[in-house]
Amino acid sequence: EPEVTQTPSHQVTQMGQEVILRCVPISNHLYFYWYRQILGQKVEFLVSFYNNEISEKSEIFDDQFSVERPDGSNFTLKIRSTKLEDSAMYFCASSRTFWGQGRGYTFGSGTRLTVV
Amino acid sequence: EDKVVQSPLSLVVHEGDTVTLNCSYEVTNFRSLLWYKQEKKAPTFLFMLTSSGIEKKSGRLSSILDKKELFSILNITATQTGDSAIYLCAVEVSGGSNYKLTFGKGTLLTVNP
Repeated sequence: EPEVTQTPSHQVTQMGQEVILRCVPISNHLYFYWYRQILGQKVEFLVSFYNNEISEKSEIFDDQFSVERPDGSNFTLKIRSTKLEDSAMYFCASSRTFWGQGRGYTFGSGTRLTVV
Repeated sequence: EDKVVQSPLSLVVHEGDTVTLNCSYEVTNFRSLLWYKQEKKAPTFLFMLTSSGIEKKSGRLSSILDKKELFSILNITATQTGDSAIYLCAVEVSGGSNYKLTFGKGTLLTVNP
């Protein structure tokens, strides 16, 4: 079964540094998403992306964050000047249509970001 | 603000027991309700429900949606230790031309041998 692949699985970074989280969505999917889950809390929507632009973003997704699809296969989340509260599991997801048709949204295994 | 509430937050049962997990929601622009199983990391898809009263089944798991009372249940019969996981309920809501998922906190199910 097709998978969404995320790298790295775990990243530790110093406060104030920039990090880039990478995702390879399923190849025939057109809609891409980032969600995050702070330890012990709910999974929260960050941003959706379609046709090389942001479709929607949450209040969490401020100027510190950016997304890009640089080469037609990768989908990246950049966090500039990381803060301690950015420590979380970041999930990438993709879907074929702009709603979760059929099997809904496929999630990657996540990147555990630890800011120290 | 859209809200999804799951209960119980945790549950411990013995193998062979039947469990019912609950999910209630208050959202605008509802499109569907999804159940996911989260073991180590990635939430894996279980069911998508869009219509009231139609039960979806997959092996020992089943789920149903009530759009009038705004809730869904996930049933697992004859539980096995491999069913131990966090079960996430998410509601798909429309934000203009796009959809996104609003999650509940999840139910941690532990199945003891």
